[in-house]
Amino acid sequence: AQSVAQPEDQVNVAEGNPLTVKCTYSVSGNPYLFWYVQYPNRGLQFLLKYITGDNLVKGSYGFEAEFNKSQTSFHLKKPSALVSDSALYFCAVLLTDSWGKFQFGAGTQVVVTP
Amino acid sequence: EADIYQTPRYLVIGTGKKITLECSQTMGHDKMYWYQQDPGMELHLIHYSYGVNSTEKGDLSSESTVSRIRTEHFPLTLESARPSHTSQYLCASSEYQGTGELFFGEGSRLTVL
Repeated sequence: AQSVAQPEDQVNVAEGNPLTVKCTYSVSGNPYLFWYVQYPNRGLQFLLKYITGDNLVKGSYGFEAEFNKSQTSFHLKKPSALVSDSALYFCAVLLTDSWGKFQFGAGTQVVVTP
Repeated sequence: EADIYQTPRYLVIGTGKKITLECSQTMGHDKMYWYQQDPGMELHLIHYSYGVNSTEKGDLSSESTVSRIRTEHFPLTLESARPSHTSQYLCASSEYQGTGELFFGEGSRLTVL
């Protein structure tokens, strides 16, 4: 079965420190991977995606993600976290055996303290 | 900003009432989705559509129904709301071709008393 996992329910980081949110995947074929962010009482916003090409993908708000095929991971990173980055982050995979269904991870709550 | 809109944003109703959550997008996307999300928790796909007159049930069983009469409109209806339907409902859309990302509305938070 194709799936995506976010092993951490919550990540705590001090402002200015590097932020990493972990995601691992299990898919058949080439993975199409996405990161979304959700602020309180809002919908999800697209951050970035990996389809093919360079393993390091740059996205919105200074975020980037590294695709690692051997470790089947797609970790989200930001070199210097801001308090405003506190939100719920979702990793997702576009299922390759469907017409366009996404499988979302359980989400990781990021808390950035001043 | 994504051009996908949901109304109402917040709704508090009594048990047994019929409700419709509206979702409209102006991007001409063929694919549309409804997700259910409890606070701070993962998303569950409850309905999707890949075009006009197509609707499919998602991974999570839901008593709600949907329709897709126009490309831009994908409303969700509950004929008789119950407290167990209390949740946040998120509508999304994406392009039919390729590996396009989802565009989400702001969500409709439903509370059934």
